[in-house]
Amino acid sequence: GESVGLHLPTLSVQEGDNSIINCAYSNSASDYFIWYKQESGKGPQFIIDIRSNMDKRQGQRVTVLLNKTVKHLSLQIAATQPGDSAVYFCAESRGTDKLIFGTGTRLQVFP
Amino acid sequence: DVKVTQSSRYLVKRTGEKVFLECVQDMDHENMFWYRQDPGLGLRLIYFSYDVKMKEKGDIPEGYSVSREKKERFSLILESASTNQTSMYLCASSLNRAYNEKLFFGSGTQLSVL
Repeated sequence: GESVGLHLPTLSVQEGDNSIINCAYSNSASDYFIWYKQESGKGPQFIIDIRSNMDKRQGQRVTVLLNKTVKHLSLQIAATQPGDSAVYFCAESRGTDKLIFGTGTRLQVFP
Repeated sequence: DVKVTQSSRYLVKRTGEKVFLECVQDMDHENMFWYRQDPGLGLRLIYFSYDVKMKEKGDIPEGYSVSREKKERFSLILESASTNQTSMYLCASSLNRAYNEKLFFGSGTQLSVL
């Protein structure tokens, strides 16, 4: 079946470094992708999304890259801060189908 | 900003009890969703609704029902709670179903069934 997955369950980075969180998807027909951040004890918070007609989109300190050739999505966080520590997960969908979520990567930021 | 409010942050119930989880959104969104989140399993869709009095099953509807009597409110009902329904429950909403767009989530309800 179709699935959304993550390469690394835990990522540890030093404060100030850039973080890259990866996500693989298997449905080549997916046309919408989204990243969420979930801090401990809170609900998921929208970070950034991208549609399949784009390969890059930037927000504040975050960039999402979409490589449709290899079905890969990444979230880049510039100058990672302690407040970025959280679980990050991606989701995909096709047309008006409901979102399919990955299981998440935990980002740990150390001083 | 959109606000999705879940009525309880923590709930402890006994096996066999009927449990109501309430969710309210304040942005006139058409779509509302209930997910459960378990370690290692990610978010799994229980039920969703695209309009008042409409509901559709998600991936894991067994043991649950929902009610949407008003546009802003979407309730999840556990008819007879069981221990395997211990989980974090997340409510979400989105503007409409014309095309896919981001979901706005509530803070979650951690339900423990003893």
